[in-house]
Amino acid sequence: AQSVTQLDSQVPVFEEAPVELRCNYSSSVSVYLFWYVQYPNQGLQLLLKYLSGSTLVKGINGFEAEFNKSQTSFHLRKPSVHISDTAEYFCAVTIKNKLSFGAGTTVTVRA
Amino acid sequence: ETGVTQTPRHLVMGMTNKKSLKCEQHLGHNAMYWYKQSAKKPLELMFVYNFKEQTENNSVPSRFSPECPNSSHLFLHLHTLQPEDSALYLCASSQAHAPQGRADTQYFGPGTRLTVL
Repeated sequence: AQSVTQLDSQVPVFEEAPVELRCNYSSSVSVYLFWYVQYPNQGLQLLLKYLSGSTLVKGINGFEAEFNKSQTSFHLRKPSVHISDTAEYFCAVTIKNKLSFGAGTTVTVRA
Repeated sequence: ETGVTQTPRHLVMGMTNKKSLKCEQHLGHNAMYWYKQSAKKPLELMFVYNFKEQTENNSVPSRFSPECPNSSHLFLHLHTLQPEDSALYLCASSQAHAPQGRADTQYFGPGTRLTVL
């Protein structure tokens, strides 16, 4: 059973438009949540993480995500994207000390 | 980002070759990981080392053999691979592979793009 589901495999968006990447997880126990970004020909870079506390988490490059326990979601948002945000984005969840990744969402920003 | 380095960045090998991938972390971490990233699939965790001891092997075929001589270095020895093993192999490190209740952030290297002919 898949622990992490990224609902959109591809998201095209125009420059300066907002973007939301959806992530849902399946777990009845406490989780820790992460978003990573992978630029072309590079490894994964941590964007932000939720461990506890405020459900709205701010990360690097203007991204933020909101943890919603009742909906088991951790959607990533950015109010205005740049061409340089073109990359693949991975949601990851630690459940019982095991980190599981979603299949990724490819964001393509067009001028 | 130079916290975790991997060499080589690209590798092409035949099915009968033996090669090794190297990972080095400069973050003072105690846990290291190997992942396989195939196109359009979630990252697959292969191995976990915690304080130089292998703590996880996710049913990886024996043609992949990891080695962790110290907390800063991790190798993946490759032997008699198959074309379906072609993928991006990512190394990561974290402070420790903590017991349940903690979640140390994993930091990734740039990966080795492996092509098996």
